[in-house]
Amino acid sequence: NAGVTQTPKFQVLKTGQSMTLQCAQDMNHEYMSWYRQDPGMGLRLIHYSVGAGITDQGEVPNGYNVSRSTTEDFPLRLLSAAPSQTSVYFCASSYSYSGRINNSPLHFGNGTRLTVT
Amino acid sequence: QQQVKQSPQSLIVQKGGISIINCAYENTAFDYFPWYQQFPGKGPALLIAIRPDVSEKKEGRFTISFNKSAKQFSLHIMDSQPGDSATYFCAAPFNAGGTSYGKLTFGQGTILTVHP
Repeated sequence: NAGVTQTPKFQVLKTGQSMTLQCAQDMNHEYMSWYRQDPGMGLRLIHYSVGAGITDQGEVPNGYNVSRSTTEDFPLRLLSAAPSQTSVYFCASSYSYSGRINNSPLHFGNGTRLTVT
Repeated sequence: QQQVKQSPQSLIVQKGGISIINCAYENTAFDYFPWYQQFPGKGPALLIAIRPDVSEKKEGRFTISFNKSAKQFSLHIMDSQPGDSATYFCAAPFNAGGTSYGKLTFGQGTILTVHP
């Protein structure tokens, strides 16, 4: 199994440009989420989805859009990139959001390092 | 607002020593406390987790100690090895009440370096 796959690995954008970070999982997980990782800030939840067609905001959603048309894919869109969005972005998935299955850990991808100049 | 506060920010330990990382949380409704380990260039991966109905959980050299009254939990790495050098994150459910194992709020992270 590939697990959680994120593309691209690295990206440089100019302020105002748009782009989509791709995330795909092959584990048939209900729950998918996006986090950003910044030094000293840990991992902060951007958006999440509990199933196809259902998305919601996390802790730091401003400047980002998501959609979930299939179980496997959960892309993150930056409509107008800003330098404050320079970060490492991680996509994660887990079997169950509601905790119906005990010990349903988050499975993370290897991240996309984004620089906005 | 940071619902989980982690310390120290960085930690240097000699091989064979004990590494201790602490986390404090605010919401007494939290019911699941995992620790994640992250190596450079990789995503975090679950290391060990505890529920608040037990005070300690051990898996090999890794132990979580949980103090419900103090609202604190800590990770102890016994006989620390250079291969343990990584960033460690504590976490708790993002929302209070009910289980939400997938929707987590993370601490600030601790960079552990184990010298040979």
